[in-house]
Amino acid sequence: AQTVTQSQPEMSVQEAETVTLSCTYDTSENNYYLFWYKQPPSRQMILVIRQEAYKQQNATENRFSVNFQKAAKSFSLKISDSQLGDTAMYFCAFMKLKDGSYQLTFGKGTKLSVIP
Amino acid sequence: EAGVAQSPRYKIIEKRQSVAFWCNPISGHATLYWYQQILGQGPKLLIQFQNNGVVDDSQLPKDRFSAERLKGVDSTLKIQPAKLEDSAVYLCASSLTVSGNTIYFGEGSWLTVV
Repeated sequence: AQTVTQSQPEMSVQEAETVTLSCTYDTSENNYYLFWYKQPPSRQMILVIRQEAYKQQNATENRFSVNFQKAAKSFSLKISDSQLGDTAMYFCAFMKLKDGSYQLTFGKGTKLSVIP
Repeated sequence: EAGVAQSPRYKIIEKRQSVAFWCNPISGHATLYWYQQILGQGPKLLIQFQNNGVVDDSQLPKDRFSAERLKGVDSTLKIQPAKLEDSAVYLCASSLTVSGNTIYFGEGSWLTVV
């Protein structure tokens, strides 16, 4: 079974600064996908960024980027120029193909607070 | 494009009562998921459907939880009888299978068992 570990239950960052959220995972699969989701208090899951395991290049979406280290099974999220609206729970998630459809497993989350 | 629809958004019931949640996935999405998210934790997969067949229900407490997706479109998740520890947000999600693997989530159904 796949496990996803987020070792930082809570983090805080000053507005406009940079913060990095950590994630490690355990799998024997070679083909898989990794995601970071943002969940505000409304509980709506919002996709932040995704990474295909077969791609060596790290994914980037505006102020969000990842550091994907496949050998180390590490997938960290960097948020640059932090904004108050970035305050939320952030979940790292692992996806693999199982029996013809994709299955997504989440970590326990990191609560990020952006301080004015 | 309409998103994943869920209802009801909020429900409060007493323990030992029953409750049902409904989900309508994005049109054309063959895969439908039900997740349980207890406060302070990450979502846990309860059941996954591919069309109207079950792919994985290994974490579904089958003595009290049931789910169906009879026509391969919308789905219902039922809890009977409810326990206090079932208080959680129940998230429905859907995805295409072949041409894309992004999973889209609904807004969730909040359940409080008192």
